[in-house]
Amino acid sequence: EVQLVQSGAEVKKPGESLKISCKGSGYSFSSYWIGWVRQMPGKGLEWMGIIYPGDSDTRYSPSFQGQVTISVDKSISTAYLQWSSLKASDTAMYYCARTTAMDNAFDYWGQGTLVTVSS
Amino acid sequence: SYELTQPPSVSVSPGQTARITCSADALPKYYAFWYQQKPGQAPVLVIYKDTTRPSGIPERFSGSSSGTTVTLTISGVQAEDEADYYCQSADSSGAYVVFGGGTKLTVL
Repeated sequence: EVQLVQSGAEVKKPGESLKISCKGSGYSFSSYWIGWVRQMPGKGLEWMGIIYPGDSDTRYSPSFQGQVTISVDKSISTAYLQWSSLKASDTAMYYCARTTAMDNAFDYWGQGTLVTVSS
Repeated sequence: SYELTQPPSVSVSPGQTARITCSADALPKYYAFWYQQKPGQAPVLVIYKDTTRPSGIPERFSGSSSGTTVTLTISGVQAEDEADYYCQSADSSGAYVVFGGGTKLTVL
């Protein structure tokens, strides 16, 4: 069974750093792209970026370039999304999802990680 | 920036047909995908490559494409179909993934 399991909810203060994770199982992790999607409270889905675990090829949405870093450790089938200095506006639910290609659907999604940034 | 345009809301009575549209200039060039999201849950893929239904998705869900508009049709809407629906495609360069703003389907 294909599963993407994300790390648990986080509560952070502005300026702190954070790294959340997404662990894949039940499929060849290196052969599928992993994308990250933001959903701010009460709002829609926003594509942040995507990584190919096979060679770590990474693409970012222009809206998120320089704001976050996407990485992967294929030895443990885990992708990461990290911030070096969080802002209150980073408060959101973050989903990871897998796809076979940049122009294909996200067929499996993680359960989401809620990040709350508040002083 | 490139956008996929969806109506904010659609309302139908049970048993009727709901149609949710998604429009953008590059849709004739790139496939569209549709997701259903219920409150507190992750999105679920309901249509891929414009018209194909994944296994496990009820037959009442269908997709179509005409020019710069793709449409998700739900025939014989049931109360359980009440959710937010999002379209996804690529931007005009094909380099980035884009989501529509989402449509809230209300079953009256």
